Amino acid sequence: SQQGEEDPQALSIQEGENATMNCSYKTSINNLQWYRQNSGRGLVHLILIRSNEREKHSGRLRVTLDTSKKSSSLLITASRAADTASYFCATDARYGNKLVFGAGTILRVKS
Amino acid sequence: DTGVSQDPRHKITKRGQNVTFRCDPISEHNRLYWYRQTLGQGPEFLTYFQNEAQLEKSRLLSDRFSAERPKGSFSTLEIQRTEQGDSAMYLCASSQGWDMNTEAFFGQGTRLTVV
Repeated sequence: SQQGEEDPQALSIQEGENATMNCSYKTSINNLQWYRQNSGRGLVHLILIRSNEREKHSGRLRVTLDTSKKSSSLLITASRAADTASYFCATDARYGNKLVFGAGTILRVKS
Repeated sequence: DTGVSQDPRHKITKRGQNVTFRCDPISEHNRLYWYRQTLGQGPEFLTYFQNEAQLEKSRLLSDRFSAERPKGSFSTLEIQRTEQGDSAMYLCASSQGWDMNTEAFFGQGTRLTVV
């Protein structure tokens, strides 16, 4: 079973716009991670946010975490065509032994 | 070190045949994971190793699946008597540490098609 659920399932925007993806999860966590996957390829780690953090930035990425609502959001600012990919949130599950992924958000950035 | 490598990248097999995939993790990483991903879904956990010890197996991993990591280095995932439902992308990942408070590095995956 999958711990995280991303919303929306698909998102289409114009280059230069911002993209926001949301993730909800079910059990308590130690950290939450976001990964990107280009079509048919492996996953690339984007950012890790710990349960005691509320916001984290990395370049054009901004991640927030609300443990009271068991939710996280990923904001990509000034999107580029190269940002077109699937984005997954993953949590470390209760005992921290593995990452549990959601179904992902498909982002398409049109140039 | 060029990251996590998986071999083969693609495999087409007939139903009922056995297949074996290999994963070479980043050399200093003590944890190794296998995931399976079907179209439109996120990766689903199959199993993981801490060094050479297989510490957890998902219920998805039926008795037709077996994974090994001899000497805590590379790992193999074997599927016996393949079924069409086994068609998927099999992803390997590695990380360093004793929990998941660090990022995992994924390979490019092995895409299995069972015909």
